[in-house]
Amino acid sequence: GIQVEQSPPDLILQEGANSTLRCNFSDSVNNLQWFHQNPWGQLINLFYIPSGTKQNGRLSATTVATERYSLLYISSSQTTDSGVYFCAGHDYNAGNNRKLIWGLGTSLAVNP
Amino acid sequence: EAGVTQSPTHLIKTRGQQATLRCSPISGHTSVYWYQQALGLGLQFLLWYDEGEERNRGNFPPRFSGRQFPNYSSELNVNALELEDSALYLCASNFKGSETQYFGPGTRLLVL
Repeated sequence: GIQVEQSPPDLILQEGANSTLRCNFSDSVNNLQWFHQNPWGQLINLFYIPSGTKQNGRLSATTVATERYSLLYISSSQTTDSGVYFCAGHDYNAGNNRKLIWGLGTSLAVNP
Repeated sequence: EAGVTQSPTHLIKTRGQQATLRCSPISGHTSVYWYQQALGLGLQFLLWYDEGEERNRGNFPPRFSGRQFPNYSSELNVNALELEDSALYLCASNFKGSETQYFGPGTRLLVL
Protein backbone atom coordinates (compact mmCIF):
# COMPACT_ATOMS: atom_id res chain seq x y z
CA GLY A 1 0.00 0.00 0.00
CA ILE A 2 0.86 3.68 -0.15
CA GLN A 3 3.54 4.47 2.43
CA VAL A 4 3.42 8.28 2.36
CA GLU A 5 0.29 10.03 1.13
CA GLN A 6 -0.17 13.81 0.92
CA SER A 7 -3.24 15.96 0.55
CA PRO A 8 -4.39 18.05 -1.11
CA PRO A 9 -2.37 17.51 -4.30
CA ASP A 10 -2.87 21.12 -5.35
CA LEU A 11 -3.72 24.27 -3.45
CA ILE A 12 -4.25 27.87 -4.53
CA LEU A 13 -4.25 30.61 -1.91
CA GLN A 14 -4.64 34.32 -1.84
CA GLU A 15 -1.74 36.09 -0.16
CA GLY A 16 -2.36 36.35 3.57
CA ALA A 17 -4.48 33.21 3.82
CA ASN A 18 -3.70 30.27 6.11
CA SER A 19 -3.52 26.64 5.04
CA THR A 20 -3.00 23.13 6.38
CA LEU A 21 -1.26 20.39 4.47
CA ARG A 22 -1.61 16.78 5.54
CA CYS A 23 0.66 13.77 5.33
CA ASN A 24 -0.46 10.24 6.20
CA PHE A 25 2.21 7.61 6.59
CA SER A 26 2.18 3.88 7.07
CA ASP A 27 3.54 1.81 9.94
CA SER A 28 6.77 1.14 8.00
CA VAL A 29 7.67 4.83 7.89
CA ASN A 30 9.10 6.91 10.73
CA ASN A 31 11.10 10.07 11.40
CA LEU A 32 8.77 12.29 9.38
CA GLN A 33 10.24 15.34 7.65
CA TRP A 34 8.79 18.23 5.65
CA PHE A 35 10.51 19.84 2.66
CA HIS A 36 9.78 22.77 0.38
CA GLN A 37 10.81 22.72 -3.28
CA ASN A 38 10.80 26.15 -4.90
CA PRO A 39 9.78 26.66 -8.53
CA TRP A 40 13.43 26.34 -9.59
CA GLY A 41 13.79 22.90 -8.04
CA GLN A 42 15.75 23.69 -4.88
CA LEU A 43 14.70 21.50 -1.96
CA ILE A 44 14.91 22.88 1.56
CA ASN A 45 14.35 20.89 4.73
CA LEU A 46 11.65 22.62 6.79
CA PHE A 47 11.13 20.32 9.76
CA TYR A 48 12.41 17.08 11.14
CA ILE A 49 9.42 16.10 13.23
CA PRO A 50 9.05 12.45 14.27
CA SER A 51 6.49 13.53 16.85
CA GLY A 52 5.16 16.61 18.57
CA THR A 53 4.99 20.18 17.33
CA LYS A 54 7.61 22.57 16.02
CA GLN A 55 7.35 26.14 14.81
CA ASN A 56 9.57 28.24 12.60
CA GLY A 57 8.20 31.68 11.85
CA ARG A 58 4.97 31.41 9.92
CA LEU A 59 5.36 27.66 9.53
CA SER A 60 4.59 25.01 12.07
CA ALA A 61 4.27 21.25 11.94
CA THR A 62 2.65 18.65 14.11
CA THR A 63 3.13 14.89 13.93
CA VAL A 64 0.89 12.45 15.76
CA ALA A 65 2.97 9.33 15.34
CA THR A 66 0.46 7.03 17.03
CA GLU A 67 -2.16 8.00 14.44
CA ARG A 68 0.34 8.05 11.56
CA TYR A 69 -0.20 11.58 10.32
CA SER A 70 1.54 14.94 10.19
CA LEU A 71 0.25 18.43 9.46
CA LEU A 72 2.08 21.44 8.09
CA TYR A 73 0.53 24.81 8.86
CA ILE A 74 1.29 27.88 6.80
CA SER A 75 0.00 31.13 8.24
CA SER A 76 -0.26 34.50 6.50
CA SER A 77 0.94 32.95 3.25
CA GLN A 78 3.24 34.92 0.95
CA THR A 79 3.97 34.52 -2.75
CA THR A 80 7.40 33.17 -1.82
CA ASP A 81 5.69 30.21 -0.16
CA SER A 82 4.73 28.93 -3.60
CA GLY A 83 6.22 25.63 -4.67
CA VAL A 84 5.80 22.00 -3.75
CA TYR A 85 5.72 20.75 -0.20
CA PHE A 86 6.89 17.19 0.36
CA CYS A 87 6.77 14.99 3.39
CA ALA A 88 9.14 12.06 3.67
CA GLY A 89 10.09 9.48 6.23
CA HIS A 90 12.61 6.76 6.77
CA ASP A 91 11.83 3.22 5.74
CA TYR A 92 11.62 1.63 9.19
CA ASN A 93 11.91 -1.89 7.84
CA ALA A 94 15.23 -1.08 6.20
CA GLY A 95 16.95 -0.44 9.49
CA ASN A 96 19.64 2.20 9.44
CA ASN A 97 19.96 2.64 5.71
CA ARG A 98 18.65 6.23 5.70
CA LYS A 99 16.38 5.59 2.69
CA LEU A 100 13.73 8.30 2.56
CA ILE A 101 10.24 7.44 1.32
CA TRP A 102 8.58 10.47 -0.26
CA GLY A 103 5.01 11.57 -0.79
CA LEU A 104 3.95 13.01 -4.13
CA GLY A 105 3.78 16.50 -2.71
CA THR A 106 1.28 19.34 -2.41
CA SER A 107 1.71 21.97 -5.10
CA LEU A 108 0.98 25.39 -3.59
CA ALA A 109 0.42 28.58 -5.53
CA VAL A 110 0.04 31.82 -3.57
CA ASN A 111 -1.43 34.64 -5.61
CA PRO A 112 -0.74 38.31 -4.80
CA GLU B 1 29.58 27.82 4.34
CA ALA B 2 29.06 26.50 0.82
CA GLY B 3 26.05 24.28 0.26
CA VAL B 4 25.78 21.13 -1.80
CA THR B 5 26.84 21.78 -5.37
CA GLN B 6 25.96 19.82 -8.48
CA SER B 7 27.20 19.94 -12.04
CA PRO B 8 26.22 20.38 -14.73
CA THR B 9 22.98 22.27 -14.14
CA HIS B 10 21.56 20.99 -17.42
CA LEU B 11 22.53 18.03 -19.59
CA ILE B 12 21.13 17.01 -22.95
CA LYS B 13 21.88 13.53 -24.29
CA THR B 14 20.48 11.17 -26.88
CA ARG B 15 19.18 7.65 -26.34
CA GLY B 16 21.92 5.11 -25.77
CA GLN B 17 24.50 7.63 -24.60
CA GLN B 18 26.01 7.80 -21.14
CA ALA B 19 25.58 10.63 -18.64
CA THR B 20 27.80 11.58 -15.71
CA LEU B 21 26.46 13.82 -12.98
CA ARG B 22 28.59 15.22 -10.18
CA CYS B 23 27.93 16.26 -6.61
CA SER B 24 30.05 17.96 -3.96
CA PRO B 25 28.70 17.65 -0.42
CA ILE B 26 28.82 20.24 2.30
CA SER B 27 32.26 20.31 3.89
CA GLY B 28 32.44 17.70 6.63
CA HIS B 29 29.51 15.64 5.39
CA THR B 30 30.41 12.03 4.64
CA SER B 31 27.09 10.77 3.28
CA VAL B 32 25.79 11.51 -0.20
CA TYR B 33 22.36 10.57 -1.52
CA TRP B 34 21.07 10.59 -5.07
CA TYR B 35 17.41 10.98 -6.02
CA GLN B 36 15.53 11.02 -9.31
CA GLN B 37 12.54 13.33 -9.71
CA ALA B 38 10.72 12.65 -12.93
CA LEU B 39 8.03 15.05 -14.13
CA GLY B 40 4.85 14.54 -12.17
CA LEU B 41 6.40 12.04 -9.81
CA GLY B 42 7.81 12.33 -6.35
CA LEU B 43 11.43 11.81 -5.50
CA GLN B 44 12.71 8.30 -5.95
CA PHE B 45 15.69 7.18 -3.92
CA LEU B 46 18.58 6.08 -6.14
CA LEU B 47 21.76 5.58 -4.13
CA TRP B 48 23.34 6.26 -0.75
CA TYR B 49 27.11 6.51 -0.30
CA ASP B 50 28.92 6.94 2.96
CA GLU B 51 32.67 7.10 3.48
CA GLY B 52 33.35 5.78 0.02
CA GLU B 53 31.03 2.80 0.19
CA GLU B 54 27.64 2.21 -1.41
CA ARG B 55 25.29 1.64 1.54
CA ASN B 56 21.99 1.20 -0.23
CA ARG B 57 20.34 1.55 -3.62
CA GLY B 58 16.77 2.00 -4.73
CA ASN B 59 14.79 0.03 -7.29
CA PHE B 60 16.70 1.12 -10.35
CA PRO B 61 18.41 -1.01 -13.02
CA PRO B 62 22.17 -1.62 -12.86
CA ARG B 63 22.80 0.95 -15.60
CA PHE B 64 22.41 3.50 -12.82
CA SER B 65 25.64 3.43 -10.87
CA GLY B 66 27.94 5.75 -9.05
CA ARG B 67 30.82 6.16 -6.73
CA GLN B 68 32.09 8.32 -3.91
CA PHE B 69 35.59 9.70 -3.90
CA PRO B 70 37.99 10.08 -0.94
CA ASN B 71 36.99 13.75 -0.64
CA TYR B 72 33.34 12.55 -0.33
CA SER B 73 32.24 14.04 -3.64
CA SER B 74 30.21 11.69 -5.77
CA GLU B 75 29.40 10.80 -9.35
CA LEU B 76 26.21 9.31 -10.73
CA ASN B 77 26.57 7.47 -14.02
CA VAL B 78 23.65 6.50 -16.20
CA ASN B 79 24.49 4.17 -19.06
CA ALA B 80 22.43 3.33 -22.15
CA LEU B 81 20.17 6.33 -21.61
CA GLU B 82 16.46 5.91 -22.23
CA LEU B 83 13.86 8.60 -22.83
CA GLU B 84 12.29 7.97 -19.44
CA ASP B 85 15.58 8.82 -17.72
CA SER B 86 14.75 12.47 -18.38
CA ALA B 87 14.37 13.98 -14.93
CA LEU B 88 15.78 16.26 -12.29
CA TYR B 89 18.55 14.45 -10.42
CA LEU B 90 19.05 15.70 -6.90
CA CYS B 91 22.00 15.10 -4.62
CA ALA B 92 21.88 15.52 -0.86
CA SER B 93 24.44 15.22 1.91
CA ASN B 94 24.63 14.96 5.66
CA PHE B 95 26.71 13.70 8.54
CA LYS B 96 26.43 9.96 9.01
CA GLY B 97 23.59 9.30 11.41
CA SER B 98 22.01 12.71 10.93
CA GLU B 99 18.32 12.80 10.09
CA THR B 100 18.43 15.99 8.04
CA GLN B 101 19.56 15.95 4.41
CA TYR B 102 20.76 19.06 2.61
CA PHE B 103 20.00 19.22 -1.09
CA GLY B 104 21.84 20.61 -4.06
CA PRO B 105 20.14 22.53 -6.89
CA GLY B 106 19.94 19.46 -9.09
CA THR B 107 20.92 18.49 -12.61
CA ARG B 108 18.20 18.50 -15.25
CA LEU B 109 18.83 15.64 -17.66
CA LEU B 110 16.99 15.58 -20.96
CA VAL B 111 17.24 12.48 -23.13
CA LEU B 112 16.21 12.96 -26.75
